[in-house]
Parts: sequence; C-alpha cells; structure tokens
Amino acid sequence: QVQLVESGGGLVKPSGSLRLSCAASGFIFSEYYMSWTRQAPGKGLEWVAFISSSGSTVYYAGSVEGRFTISRDNAKNSVYLEMNSLRADDTAVYYCARVSTAWSQQSPSNYWGQGTLVTVSS
Amino acid sequence: DFVMTQSPESLAVSLGERATINCKSRQSVFFNNKNYLAWYQKKPGQPPKLLIYWASTRESGVPDRFSGSGSGTDFTLTISSLQAEDVAVYYCQQYYSTSWTFGQGTKVEIK
Repeated sequence: QVQLVESGGGLVKPSGSLRLSCAASGFIFSEYYMSWTRQAPGKGLEWVAFISSSGSTVYYAGSVEGRFTISRDNAKNSVYLEMNSLRADDTAVYYCARVSTAWSQQSPSNYWGQGTLVTVSS
Repeated sequence: DFVMTQSPESLAVSLGERATINCKSRQSVFFNNKNYLAWYQKKPGQPPKLLIYWASTRESGVPDRFSGSGSGTDFTLTISSLQAEDVAVYYCQQYYSTSWTFGQGTKVEIK
C-alpha cells in the first residue's frame, strides 16, 4: 500500500534553516509528481511546492519562492523540502502528497503523509 | 491568479440533513472538457482526504452522500445526509495551473 512518511520537523529560530524529508513506498515513485502543502495553526491549507516525476520541473507558492527548495531522489524514493530564512509565519504542519495520476501535474493529491510540525520561534 | 473563494465559512446542519458548500474560482478551471477542481475533507490531526476530483468524480471509497457539481468558475460540494463523522473542514482546490490553490475552507458542524 502507498505510504508517505515525513520527518525533519522541529523547533527552529527565525532566519534559521530546516530540511524536511518524505519517504515513499508502495508505488513506483519515479512516475509521480510530489508536493508539499502546509497548514498553519488555526489556518487553512496552503500549497507550498511541487516537483515533477524526474525532478526537472519545480513550482513554488509565492510566499516561499526564493527561500524554499523542493527536490527528490528517485533512487531513495524520497522528496525533500529545504527551508531557509524561516519566519514565524512558516510555522505549520507540513504534508507531503502524491498526485493521483502518473506523470501528471494536473492531477489531485490522493495520498498524503501524516505531516511533520515545523515551529519557528525564538 | 486562481483565487478560490468558498462560502459559507461555516455551517451547522442537523444530522440527516443536507449540507451545501460553494467554491468560486476567479478564473475558469475548465479545459479539455474537464474541470480541474477537487474537494478535500480535513479533520484535526489527520491529513487531508480527497473526496471529489474533476469537480464531480467521487474518489474510491468515498460514501455516495458526497457529490460535486459545477463547471468553469462555480462549484458545489453537497453532503446529502449529514452524518456525525462528516464534521470537518472542507476545502476546494484547483489543480489546473502550475500554482495550485485551495479555498479558505468551510467548517461543517452538527446543529
């Protein structure tokens, strides 16, 4: 069965950095676009970034562009989110997700991890 | 810019009654005969759950009391007979553009 397991969350000071990981299993990882979505405390869902199957194409939400980098290692069945210049408003639960259709960015996300909490505070 | 606006922000419905949630996109998400619009259910402490995609296709395993309708810029999620386990926040999402966007969410409670 499809499993997505995030790790790497924690407490970080403002302007600090953190790297999130998402380990995938149960499907052919290299065929699927992957994404990160976050939910700040008491707020709604906010899409953060997605990456193509090969890793050659990435897109970011305006709120994180230039500070966050999404990447993947298809040999390790993992997707990452490198977060730099963190701010208090980056505090959120971060979810990785897989799209439902292989090779397609224009596809909803039907598998999600349980999320990892990132807290940015001094 | 694909801004998604949901209404209402919250609603309280009696058990067994109908709940209706609206989602409006600033730009059309209809292309190639498809509406690139999904609905998710979000409960506290759980990841989002995909309910509906292509605006009206129910995800496998989702009860048939959930249905989606609409096209272009205006969409609706209907829960035909609200059950206690349906208490959650519901989000629409467009996946047409290279910048996915969610609506702000609609909280559904029991009256």
